[in-house]
Amino acid sequence: QVQLQESGPGLVKPSETLSLSCTVSGAPIDSISYYWGWVRQAPGKGLEWIGNIYYNGNTYSSPSLKSRVTMSIDTSKKEFSLMLNSVTAADTAVYYCVRSKRDYDANGYYYWFDPWGRGSLVTVSS
Amino acid sequence: SYELTQPPSVSVSPGQTARITCSGETLSKKYGYWYQQKPGQAPLMVIYKDSQRPSEIPERFSGSGSGTTVTLTITGVQAEDEADYYCQSTDISGSPHMVLGGGTKLTVL
Repeated sequence: QVQLQESGPGLVKPSETLSLSCTVSGAPIDSISYYWGWVRQAPGKGLEWIGNIYYNGNTYSSPSLKSRVTMSIDTSKKEFSLMLNSVTAADTAVYYCVRSKRDYDANGYYYWFDPWGRGSLVTVSS
Repeated sequence: SYELTQPPSVSVSPGQTARITCSGETLSKKYGYWYQQKPGQAPLMVIYKDSQRPSEIPERFSGSGSGTTVTLTITGVQAEDEADYYCQSTDISGSPHMVLGGGTKLTVL
């Protein structure tokens, strides 16, 4: 059974960098069929996709966050990470790490989230 | 980038049928997926590839797709189905850019 576990500071100061890691268990992190990503949810708001990273280090980010997002992956540790710089109170959210599964048919590639981590609340405050 | 549009809220009485729609250009070429999120919990996939149901999801959950719209249907709604529901799809180009709907709050009256 695949499990994802987020870890990182729960409190970050404005203008600093938010850093989170996600540890993968129960599945290979270097499979060609998976991407690994992040989704966040501000208090009382909807889900927002942040980005995906492939085992080879290729990254894909939401256009709205791309300029502030850095993602990395360490296949030896079965871990991937998110850094979001220049944070403000608007970045306060529960951050979920996710596995994005990939499949293919006549219409090309498609992806979905399965599973999700339990989420990690990060508060931006001085 | 692409967008998916959902109604903010849907209300039904127990035993009735709830339908939640999700519309967006990318759905004309890519599958839609549905996730259920209860307070304090991570989302859980209830429908994949427009209309497929994971084995652990009750049969009252079904999905369909036509044109640029996918629909989640819950037949015989139960109190435990009260939750937020999100649709998700993929960038029409086939790159791993994910698209999420704004979410629909299902209230069981």
